[in-house]
Amino acid sequence: GIQVEQSPPDLILQEGANSTLRCNFSDSVNNLQWFHQNPWGQLINLFYIPSGTKQNGRLSATTVATERYSLLYISSSQTTDSGVYFCAVVTIIQGAQKLVFGQGTRLTINP
Amino acid sequence: KAGVTQTPRYLIKTRGQQVTLSCSPISGHRSVSWYQQTPGQGLQFLFEYFSETQRNKGNFPGRFSGRQFSNSRSEMNVSTLELGDSALYLCASSWQGTTYEQYFGPGTRLTVT
Repeated sequence: GIQVEQSPPDLILQEGANSTLRCNFSDSVNNLQWFHQNPWGQLINLFYIPSGTKQNGRLSATTVATERYSLLYISSSQTTDSGVYFCAVVTIIQGAQKLVFGQGTRLTINP
Repeated sequence: KAGVTQTPRYLIKTRGQQVTLSCSPISGHRSVSWYQQTPGQGLQFLFEYFSETQRNKGNFPGRFSGRQFSNSRSEMNVSTLELGDSALYLCASSWQGTTYEQYFGPGTRLTVT
């Protein structure tokens, strides 16, 4: 099946720094989502991005589907950005869908 | 619009027992998917339901089952619980129109002792 790899696994930064998280996938996909998992475990939707670039405040994402990767940018990091970030690729076969997740990037923002 | 809700939020069970978890999707969403998250295996797909039919199933033993009701609410059941079933179980719903974006509930944290 499709493989999703995220890098780096861990990232520690000072408040105010910028960060780039990467997601590589092994096959063509229907779509891709980025999530932030909050301390209570809930996955918060960040982006739904099959290709191109989207921005939402200090966060932006770029997916290059032809080269099978996506990037999540966080600018001017805040301590509240800490947590685990997941990318997940959407596979759809005969209408049946599922998400295949990467192992996540644990981001720690120190004050 | 209310988000995806899951009940209960926390559960402690003993090996050998069975458990039923519930998920109510976002209003208007007809697809419900379940995922298991453990420290060792990460987030793994369990199954997906649409219009009361299971359309897709992950690589889990038959002890894991689910169903969907006519109002799109879904339940998953795990029978003969094992210690390794301790996990965060997440439910997601999606609209199935022109977008397949999935929205997750807060999860049910199951501990098997």
